[in-house]
Amino acid sequence: DGGITQSPKYLFRKEGQNVTLSCEQNLNHDAMYWYRQDPGQGLRLIYYSQIVNDFQKGDIAEGYSVSREKKESFPLTVTSAQKNPTAFYLCASSIGGQGNQPQHFGDGTRLSIL
Amino acid sequence: SQQGEEDPQALSIQEGENATMNCSYKTSINNLQWYRQNSGRGLVHLILIRSNEREKHSGRLRVTLDTSKKSSSLLITASRAADTASYFCATRGFTGGGSNYKLTFGKGTLLTVNP
Repeated sequence: DGGITQSPKYLFRKEGQNVTLSCEQNLNHDAMYWYRQDPGQGLRLIYYSQIVNDFQKGDIAEGYSVSREKKESFPLTVTSAQKNPTAFYLCASSIGGQGNQPQHFGDGTRLSIL
Repeated sequence: SQQGEEDPQALSIQEGENATMNCSYKTSINNLQWYRQNSGRGLVHLILIRSNEREKHSGRLRVTLDTSKKSSSLLITASRAADTASYFCATRGFTGGGSNYKLTFGKGTLLTVNP
């Protein structure tokens, strides 16, 4: 089955620690996205990548970093500079990166602070 | 800033009733999309409607778009308990290039369908 796999499902971060969230897709999609969702809120875009080896900052990129070395993979690192990391993180992909195609989502990673 | 805003924030109905959710936005759009999110899960795409379309159907779902009022509605007919979820609208800006390619999501409507 084609889809997007996010891991882990739950993640705990200690003070001063960087953590990396995994996102893998086998849909052969060019574009991938990372969103943050806080309780009762919509999704806010952290980073997006329209093609391999290229990515752009979204609305709330501070304290986060990404890489896009392979088409299938778009890992997100939550750095110690992100002071309020507790949230639900969603990865998505789409055929093209121009916003005129549906986005397919993974089932998220819930990040909490220890 | 958020482009789409859903109304109402929460809606509770009985099984078999119809559910209508609305989305308003501020600037011209290329397309508007509706997504569903079950608790603790990712979003699932429901319908995409382009700015030159007025209505689209998919099964029990009907979406309308009124670009003059900058609003859209999602109607779910003959609702079922399994329709219980949060529903989000997302808009893509009219002009392309740079960050205008991104989708901007509203805060969602929480729909509860009681058996």
